[in-house]
Amino acid sequence: DAGVIQSPRHEVTEMGQEVTLRCKPISGHDYLFWYRQTMMRGLELLIYFNNNVPIDDSGMPEDRFSAKMPNASFSTLKIQPSEPRDSAVYFCASAQELQPQHFGDGTRLSIL
Amino acid sequence: AQSVTQPDIHITVSEGASLELRCNYSYGATPYLFWYVQSPGQGLQLLLKYFSGDTLVQGIKGFEAEFKRSQSSFNLRKPSVHWSDAAEYFCAVVTGNQFYFGTGTSLTVIP
Repeated sequence: DAGVIQSPRHEVTEMGQEVTLRCKPISGHDYLFWYRQTMMRGLELLIYFNNNVPIDDSGMPEDRFSAKMPNASFSTLKIQPSEPRDSAVYFCASAQELQPQHFGDGTRLSIL
Repeated sequence: AQSVTQPDIHITVSEGASLELRCNYSYGATPYLFWYVQSPGQGLQLLLKYFSGDTLVQGIKGFEAEFKRSQSSFNLRKPSVHWSDAAEYFCAVVTGNQFYFGTGTSLTVIP
Protein backbone atom coordinates (compact mmCIF):
# COMPACT_ATOMS: atom_id res chain seq x y z
CA ASP A 1 0.00 0.00 0.00
CA ALA A 2 1.66 3.21 -1.20
CA GLY A 3 -0.33 5.47 1.08
CA VAL A 4 -1.61 8.90 0.18
CA ILE A 5 0.75 10.59 -2.25
CA GLN A 6 1.03 14.34 -2.47
CA SER A 7 3.02 16.45 -4.88
CA PRO A 8 4.99 18.55 -4.84
CA ARG A 9 6.50 18.21 -1.35
CA HIS A 10 7.68 21.80 -1.44
CA GLU A 11 6.55 24.75 -3.53
CA VAL A 12 7.95 28.24 -3.51
CA THR A 13 6.40 30.81 -5.80
CA GLU A 14 5.73 34.51 -6.07
CA MET A 15 2.47 36.07 -5.11
CA GLY A 16 -0.04 36.29 -7.91
CA GLN A 17 1.03 33.00 -9.43
CA GLU A 18 -1.25 30.02 -9.77
CA VAL A 19 -0.46 27.10 -7.49
CA THR A 20 -1.71 23.55 -8.02
CA LEU A 21 -1.35 20.89 -5.36
CA ARG A 22 -1.95 17.27 -6.23
CA CYS A 23 -3.11 14.24 -4.32
CA LYS A 24 -3.46 10.56 -5.06
CA PRO A 25 -5.58 8.83 -2.42
CA ILE A 26 -5.30 5.24 -1.32
CA SER A 27 -7.01 2.93 -3.76
CA GLY A 28 -10.48 1.95 -2.61
CA HIS A 29 -10.96 4.92 -0.32
CA ASP A 30 -14.14 6.85 -1.02
CA TYR A 31 -13.44 9.97 1.04
CA LEU A 32 -10.79 12.57 0.26
CA PHE A 33 -9.95 15.56 2.44
CA TRP A 34 -7.86 18.69 1.98
CA TYR A 35 -6.45 20.39 5.08
CA ARG A 36 -4.31 23.44 5.72
CA GLN A 37 -2.00 23.66 8.70
CA THR A 38 -0.43 26.84 10.07
CA MET A 39 1.02 27.83 13.41
CA MET A 40 -1.68 30.45 13.89
CA ARG A 41 -4.75 28.44 12.90
CA GLY A 42 -3.67 24.87 13.45
CA LEU A 43 -5.22 22.17 11.25
CA GLU A 44 -8.16 23.41 9.16
CA LEU A 45 -10.42 21.25 7.01
CA LEU A 46 -10.82 23.02 3.68
CA ILE A 47 -13.01 20.62 1.71
CA TYR A 48 -13.84 16.97 1.45
CA PHE A 49 -15.19 14.70 -1.25
CA ASN A 50 -17.20 11.50 -1.11
CA ASN A 51 -17.14 9.34 -4.23
CA ASN A 52 -15.53 12.25 -6.11
CA VAL A 53 -18.35 14.66 -5.20
CA PRO A 54 -17.60 17.70 -3.01
CA ILE A 55 -19.63 17.36 0.17
CA ASP A 56 -18.52 20.26 2.34
CA ASP A 57 -16.42 23.15 1.10
CA SER A 58 -17.29 25.53 3.90
CA GLY A 59 -13.67 25.61 4.99
CA MET A 60 -12.38 26.96 1.69
CA PRO A 61 -11.14 30.43 2.63
CA GLU A 62 -12.23 32.34 -0.46
CA ASP A 63 -12.88 32.15 -4.17
CA ARG A 64 -9.18 32.04 -4.92
CA PHE A 65 -9.23 28.43 -3.71
CA SER A 66 -10.77 25.62 -5.74
CA ALA A 67 -10.60 21.85 -5.53
CA LYS A 68 -11.49 19.15 -8.00
CA MET A 69 -11.64 15.40 -8.00
CA PRO A 70 -12.05 14.25 -11.61
CA ASN A 71 -11.75 10.59 -10.69
CA ALA A 72 -11.29 8.30 -7.71
CA SER A 73 -7.52 8.37 -7.90
CA PHE A 74 -6.70 12.05 -8.26
CA SER A 75 -7.54 15.41 -6.73
CA THR A 76 -6.18 18.91 -7.06
CA LEU A 77 -6.28 21.99 -4.88
CA LYS A 78 -5.68 25.19 -6.80
CA ILE A 79 -4.95 28.69 -5.56
CA GLN A 80 -5.25 31.51 -8.09
CA PRO A 81 -3.96 34.10 -7.53
CA SER A 82 -1.77 33.11 -4.61
CA GLU A 83 -1.00 35.46 -1.70
CA PRO A 84 1.67 35.36 1.02
CA ARG A 85 -0.99 34.52 3.64
CA ASP A 86 -1.64 31.26 1.79
CA SER A 87 1.76 30.00 2.95
CA ALA A 88 1.13 26.83 4.94
CA VAL A 89 1.44 23.08 4.85
CA TYR A 90 -1.39 21.53 2.88
CA PHE A 91 -2.37 17.96 3.66
CA CYS A 92 -4.45 15.53 1.72
CA ALA A 93 -6.06 12.58 3.48
CA SER A 94 -8.25 9.71 2.37
CA ALA A 95 -10.55 7.31 4.18
CA GLN A 96 -12.85 4.42 3.56
CA GLU A 97 -16.33 5.23 4.87
CA LEU A 98 -15.86 6.35 8.47
CA GLN A 99 -12.61 4.49 8.99
CA PRO A 100 -9.62 6.62 10.09
CA GLN A 101 -8.15 9.10 7.66
CA HIS A 102 -4.76 8.35 6.17
CA PHE A 103 -2.67 11.44 5.63
CA GLY A 104 -0.08 12.26 3.02
CA ASP A 105 3.19 13.88 3.98
CA GLY A 106 1.92 17.31 2.95
CA THR A 107 2.98 20.09 0.60
CA ARG A 108 4.88 22.92 2.19
CA LEU A 109 3.83 26.05 0.28
CA SER A 110 5.66 29.34 0.51
CA ILE A 111 4.30 32.38 -1.29
CA LEU A 112 6.84 35.21 -1.53
CA ALA B 1 -22.26 22.91 17.82
CA GLN B 2 -20.01 19.90 17.85
CA SER B 3 -16.42 20.52 18.91
CA VAL B 4 -13.24 18.92 20.10
CA THR B 5 -11.17 20.49 22.87
CA GLN B 6 -7.61 19.74 23.78
CA PRO B 7 -7.06 21.99 26.79
CA ASP B 8 -3.30 21.56 26.97
CA ILE B 9 -1.42 23.40 24.24
CA HIS B 10 1.97 22.17 25.39
CA ILE B 11 3.14 19.50 27.85
CA THR B 12 6.64 18.66 29.03
CA VAL B 13 7.43 15.33 30.66
CA SER B 14 10.59 13.53 31.64
CA GLU B 15 11.60 10.42 29.78
CA GLY B 16 10.21 7.38 31.57
CA ALA B 17 7.40 9.33 33.21
CA SER B 18 3.75 8.64 32.55
CA LEU B 19 1.71 10.77 30.18
CA GLU B 20 -1.91 11.77 29.85
CA LEU B 21 -3.19 14.05 27.11
CA ARG B 22 -6.70 15.35 27.49
CA CYS B 23 -9.47 15.46 24.90
CA ASN B 24 -13.07 16.50 25.38
CA TYR B 25 -15.78 16.52 22.79
CA SER B 26 -19.17 18.10 22.55
CA TYR B 27 -21.77 15.93 20.88
CA GLY B 28 -25.08 14.41 21.88
CA ALA B 29 -24.42 10.85 20.81
CA THR B 30 -21.27 8.74 20.93
CA PRO B 31 -19.03 9.77 18.09
CA TYR B 32 -16.15 7.91 16.54
CA LEU B 33 -12.96 9.02 18.29
CA PHE B 34 -9.37 9.02 17.16
CA TRP B 35 -5.91 10.07 18.29
CA TYR B 36 -3.25 11.02 15.78
CA VAL B 37 0.42 11.87 16.17
CA GLN B 38 2.39 14.24 13.95
CA SER B 39 6.17 14.29 13.94
CA PRO B 40 7.94 17.35 12.52
CA GLY B 41 7.69 17.51 8.75
CA GLN B 42 5.34 14.57 8.60
CA GLY B 43 1.66 13.97 8.08
CA LEU B 44 -0.63 12.73 10.81
CA GLN B 45 -0.40 9.08 11.80
CA LEU B 46 -3.22 7.21 13.49
CA LEU B 47 -2.42 6.04 17.02
CA LEU B 48 -5.75 4.49 17.95
CA LYS B 49 -9.49 4.66 17.41
CA TYR B 50 -12.71 4.04 19.30
CA PHE B 51 -15.95 3.09 17.58
CA SER B 52 -17.81 1.04 20.18
CA GLY B 53 -17.35 -1.75 22.71
CA ASP B 54 -14.56 -1.80 25.25
CA THR B 55 -13.97 1.75 26.40
CA LEU B 56 -10.23 1.21 26.87
CA VAL B 57 -8.52 0.94 23.52
CA GLN B 58 -4.95 0.03 22.78
CA GLY B 59 -2.97 1.67 20.04
CA ILE B 60 0.44 1.62 18.49
CA LYS B 61 3.67 2.66 20.19
CA GLY B 62 2.35 1.67 23.63
CA PHE B 63 -0.43 4.24 23.73
CA GLU B 64 -3.92 3.67 25.07
CA ALA B 65 -7.01 5.81 25.46
CA GLU B 66 -10.14 5.55 27.54
CA PHE B 67 -13.56 6.69 26.44
CA LYS B 68 -15.61 8.10 29.30
CA ARG B 69 -19.13 8.90 28.19
CA SER B 70 -20.06 10.66 31.44
CA GLN B 71 -17.19 13.08 31.00
CA SER B 72 -17.31 13.31 27.20
CA SER B 73 -13.62 12.58 27.27
CA PHE B 74 -11.17 10.44 25.35
CA ASN B 75 -7.83 10.93 27.07
CA LEU B 76 -4.62 9.46 25.69
CA ARG B 77 -2.18 7.75 28.04
CA LYS B 78 1.20 6.12 28.03
CA PRO B 79 2.80 4.61 31.15
CA SER B 80 6.40 5.40 30.23
CA VAL B 81 7.31 8.07 27.69
CA HIS B 82 10.25 7.69 25.32
CA TRP B 83 12.22 10.55 23.82
CA SER B 84 10.88 9.56 20.39
CA ASP B 85 7.34 10.35 21.56
CA ALA B 86 8.06 14.08 21.30
CA ALA B 87 5.55 15.27 18.70
CA GLU B 88 2.21 16.97 18.20
CA TYR B 89 -0.88 14.98 19.19
CA PHE B 90 -4.34 15.52 17.78
CA CYS B 91 -7.67 14.24 18.97
CA ALA B 92 -10.35 13.84 16.29
CA VAL B 93 -14.06 13.17 16.23
CA VAL B 94 -16.28 11.88 13.44
CA THR B 95 -20.02 12.34 13.77
CA GLY B 96 -22.22 11.53 10.82
CA ASN B 97 -20.47 13.17 7.91
CA GLN B 98 -18.71 15.78 10.00
CA PHE B 99 -15.04 15.63 10.90
CA TYR B 100 -13.44 17.65 13.69
CA PHE B 101 -9.84 17.89 14.86
CA GLY B 102 -8.65 19.39 18.11
CA THR B 103 -6.05 22.13 18.11
CA GLY B 104 -3.32 19.73 19.15
CA THR B 105 -1.04 19.22 22.13
CA SER B 106 2.69 19.60 21.67
CA LEU B 107 4.70 17.12 23.73
CA THR B 108 8.29 17.79 24.78
CA VAL B 109 10.28 14.98 26.38
CA ILE B 110 13.27 15.91 28.52
CA PRO B 111 16.06 13.48 29.44
